[in-house]
Amino acid sequence: TQLLEQSPQFLSIQEGENLTVYCNSSSVFSSLQWYRQEPGEGPVLLVTVVTGGEVKKLKRLTFQFGDARKDSSLHITAAQPGDTGLYLCAGNRGATNKLIFGTGTLLAVQP
Amino acid sequence: NAGVTQTPKFRILKIGQSMTLQCTQDMNHNYMYWYRQDPGMGLKLIYYSVGAGITDKGEVPNGYNVSRSTTEDFPLRLELAAPSQTSVYFCASSYWDRNYGYTFGSGTRLTVV
Repeated sequence: TQLLEQSPQFLSIQEGENLTVYCNSSSVFSSLQWYRQEPGEGPVLLVTVVTGGEVKKLKRLTFQFGDARKDSSLHITAAQPGDTGLYLCAGNRGATNKLIFGTGTLLAVQP
Repeated sequence: NAGVTQTPKFRILKIGQSMTLQCTQDMNHNYMYWYRQDPGMGLKLIYYSVGAGITDKGEVPNGYNVSRSTTEDFPLRLELAAPSQTSVYFCASSYWDRNYGYTFGSGTRLTVV
């Protein structure tokens, strides 16, 4: 059972464009994290959001946690080739910090 | 700053063979995890541990075993390898707090033929 669905699965855009990646679930999470993974490497944490409605910014990346803590979005402004990678959302439901990962969004930014 | 170290990086196994994937962390994290990543499927939790001597099953534990004799080490054992275990395996560690993210190793790419 896949509890976290990401959309789109693939995205190929030109440098300078904006984009939004969505992470949706029917389950409530105590926190949600976003990771970026490059080929041949493990995922690297970008951000953790904890409070419903919370918005966090990391340079050109904006992360939002849904009011009901069931969904999240990642918005990238003026994408650059260095943003290329697999973006994964991950939700935390329990006391042991176990994460449930989404299906991933593969982003390619063309120069 | 080693973080989480996984060995080997690549391995080819024949059906029925066994092997151990090694994972060690130097951040004094209590929690450690093993995930597998298949194309288009995200990461699935195999086993996790909340401290030395304590392990528990995740979502896809069949065909695997783990042990946690020290805080630093969390090896994953594959017994009687099957083609369905062809995947990329990631070890990760974290603090107990949900506000802290995982630190991942660079993965082991395993092929079972």
